[in-house]
Amino acid sequence: AQSVTQLGSHVSVSEGALVLLRCNYSSSVPPYLFWYVQYPNQGLQLLLKYTSAATLVKGINGFEAEFKKSETSFHLTKPSAHMSDAAEYFCAVSEVGSGNTPLVFGKGTRLSVIA
Amino acid sequence: NAGVTQTPKFQVLKTGQSMTLQCAQDMNHNSMYWYRQDPGMGLRLIYYSASEGTTDKGEVPNGYNVSRLNKREFSLRLESAAPSQTSVYFCASTWAGYGYTFGSGTRLTVV
Repeated sequence: AQSVTQLGSHVSVSEGALVLLRCNYSSSVPPYLFWYVQYPNQGLQLLLKYTSAATLVKGINGFEAEFKKSETSFHLTKPSAHMSDAAEYFCAVSEVGSGNTPLVFGKGTRLSVIA
Repeated sequence: NAGVTQTPKFQVLKTGQSMTLQCAQDMNHNSMYWYRQDPGMGLRLIYYSASEGTTDKGEVPNGYNVSRLNKREFSLRLESAAPSQTSVYFCASTWAGYGYTFGSGTRLTVV
């Protein structure tokens, strides 16, 4: 069964500092991987996704993530945090080749940005 | 605009009452899903429908039923609401797992 572990339920960074949100997955087959962002009282917005193409994936709002098969990781980074990045971030995995496989989510990481 | 539409957006129920959450998508997606979101728990799968005419249990199905009415619509029913079902509910759909589209959510409070 697939699973996702997000290390750190809460991460706090200073404005302008590097953002690093960690995600490790467990899957018996190569997965598709996703990062979503959720602002307070809003729905989920797709940041980026890995679907077996380039291992370094660029997303919206300056975020990127690198798929590392040997480490079963898909960490999310942004070089310089902005106040508007404060939100909750979810990593999710689905099984490649099985088009109806549900997304499995991590428990989320709340990002705070300090001025 | 194309996407996933959930109704209602907010609902307050009394313990024991029943209600149905509606979800419709207009992207011709085959698969549809219901998730619940609780603080610190991420999104957990309640039920899903891989294709029209099929439904399967997810991680937390107890207390819920679903109906895949047609290819567009997938409803979630609470027969006898309990305070433990207070949550935010999201519906999602996909065509081939390449991209998932989520609705804006239903915030349900059971008192």
